[in-house]
Amino acid sequence: EAGVVQSPRYKIIEKKQPVAFWCNPISGHNTLYWYLQNLGQGPELLIRYENEEAVDDSQLPKDRFSAERLKGVDSTLKIQPAELGDSAVYLCASSLVFAKDTGELFFGEGSRLTVL
Amino acid sequence: SQQGEEDPQALSIQEGENATMNCSYKTSINNLQWYRQNSGRGLVHLILIRSNEREKHSGRLRVTLDTSKKSSSLLITASRAADTASYFCATDTSGTYKYIFGTGTRLKVLA
Repeated sequence: EAGVVQSPRYKIIEKKQPVAFWCNPISGHNTLYWYLQNLGQGPELLIRYENEEAVDDSQLPKDRFSAERLKGVDSTLKIQPAELGDSAVYLCASSLVFAKDTGELFFGEGSRLTVL
Repeated sequence: SQQGEEDPQALSIQEGENATMNCSYKTSINNLQWYRQNSGRGLVHLILIRSNEREKHSGRLRVTLDTSKKSSSLLITASRAADTASYFCATDTSGTYKYIFGTGTRLKVLA
């Protein structure tokens, strides 16, 4: 079974440029997460989807970040315009939430963003 | 925001020794999970312990949970060089399915 797939793995851009990250979760997983991870820190939740609905986006900086999950499967995370402080690894994870119980999160390899 | 704080921040041990790392959290939880992250990779799930459980084992891993102290510990027995990684706890605050990660413990196992 394929795991969570993220692309691109690495992205280098100039500040003020836009950037987009793509995530394909594990087939059948209804919940999808985007996390941001700074060097030496733990992942910080940006947004969580249940199917196609964003149920928690309180940590997403909505002035420059946007996300969507069309048809409840793939998801994209966009930053426009990027700032120097956005340099980090963006992690996507999926999970199967069933009957008010949660299981493990399955993570992709992450997309490392460097803003110059 | 970080829910959990891992302790120690970094740990260096010899191969064959046991490694213990601790996680403290702030609010009531449904369950707590431990993850491993090798350098430059995504996180991998190790073990889940529910709020009504006190101890759980999986291979060389032993996890304990003390909800009265809002803390958990992860013990890796007979460590190997391949165990070198960062370890994170993640908590599911009650009823939200929102996993909040701690700051991590960087474990180095010397061969």
